[in-house]
Amino acid sequence: IQMTQSPSSLSASVGDRVTITCRTSQAIRDEFGWYQQKPGKAPERLIYAASTLHSGVPSRFSGSGSGTEFTLTISSLQPEDSATYYCLQYNSYPRTFGQGTKVEIK
Amino acid sequence: EEQLVESGGGLVQPGGSLRLSCAASGFTFNTFWMDWVRQVPGGGLEWVANIRQDGNEKYYVDSVKGRFTISRDNGKNSVYLQMNSLRAEDTAVYYCSRRLDLWGQGTMVTVSS
Repeated sequence: IQMTQSPSSLSASVGDRVTITCRTSQAIRDEFGWYQQKPGKAPERLIYAASTLHSGVPSRFSGSGSGTEFTLTISSLQPEDSATYYCLQYNSYPRTFGQGTKVEIK
Repeated sequence: EEQLVESGGGLVQPGGSLRLSCAASGFTFNTFWMDWVRQVPGGGLEWVANIRQDGNEKYYVDSVKGRFTISRDNGKNSVYLQMNSLRAEDTAVYYCSRRLDLWGQGTMVTVSS
């Protein structure tokens, strides 16, 4: 399954609403997740089952979508959200990640 | 505390072999699938392989099939990645993961002469 994640990068101000989109080449139901990775660190799961918040993740993060189009929304961007975000499908093998979206704070 | 700690990375020549290990603690290891994911420095994430709880079902990305073998020892709470016939393009940070929800800190593998 091919993943198309957009945009590849974005710059936004603290408090802005940010949206990242991922499209899959075939329908995957809700077997989909979002990850955050900061420089030099391992990825951390934010969202699984397309819209379920991983334990401990701030509520400003939300996920939506099903089938072939999925969205990660940060409702009010914070300085600590500066990171690269990846989508992942786990509907079929091989598991595949999106190309990543680098989020910078203006 | 739930934790995964990888080891075994290093510098190896093309065509060589390396065995990565991942030690798990803080959770019931034998109830989870385990995965390996890699990341070229400055690049994106690539899923490599995973293994079922009992070790009897395994999956691989095409680029490593026939060269890499994933295994586990539930008595030692550990998962392994045996990497043979290594190529320059296998150079990456290798992460161990519990079902892609808990990740280790990664171990660097460099394939170069």
